[in-house]
Amino acid sequence: EAGVAQSPRYKIIEKRQSVAFWCNPISGHATLYWYQQILGQGPKLLIQFQNNGVVDDSQLPKDRFSAERLKGVDSTLKIQPAKLEDSAVYLCASSGTGIEQYFGPGTRLTVT
Amino acid sequence: DQQVKQNSPSLSVQEGRISILNCDYTNSMFDYFLWYKKYPAEGPTFLISISSIKDKNEDGRFTVFLNKSAKHLSLHIVPSQPGDSAVYFCAASAASGAGSYQLTFGKGTKLSVIP
Repeated sequence: EAGVAQSPRYKIIEKRQSVAFWCNPISGHATLYWYQQILGQGPKLLIQFQNNGVVDDSQLPKDRFSAERLKGVDSTLKIQPAKLEDSAVYLCASSGTGIEQYFGPGTRLTVT
Repeated sequence: DQQVKQNSPSLSVQEGRISILNCDYTNSMFDYFLWYKKYPAEGPTFLISISSIKDKNEDGRFTVFLNKSAKHLSLHIVPSQPGDSAVYFCAASAASGAGSYQLTFGKGTKLSVIP
């Protein structure tokens, strides 16, 4: 069974530029999560989807971050415009009927 | 307000000995607890979990203990192996509606197993 796929793996941009991350969850997993992990911290949930609907986006900075999950499968997370403090690893995870979440390798974003 | 706390940023253990990683939580609504292992440049990998109705769960070399009254859990690795060297995250789960769950993570403990 293929795991959670994410791309790109690394991205370097200048502040005020925009960036997008892509995630393909494990086949059949209805729930998809985006996390932000700042160096030295644990992952922090940004947004949770159930199929193609948003369950919780209370911690998503909506003035600059947006996410969508079209057709209840793939998802994209966008930042526009980026700030220096957005430098982090962005992790995508998915889950099926169980509580365990399965993570992709992450995208390391550096904002200069 | 940190709801899941891992107070030891790092831990070094000799190969073959026991590794004990600790985690404390503050939210009484948490009903499921998980441990994840993370290698550099990889995403976290699920390791073991425990429901709040149990006090122990075992899987091979890994055992998780839960003390609900103390709001404390620990992960024991016996015997420790060099390949266990990684960052270990404690996570706690609460229902988030529509039959799905959210995880709150601690900051992690970096385990180094010395050959």
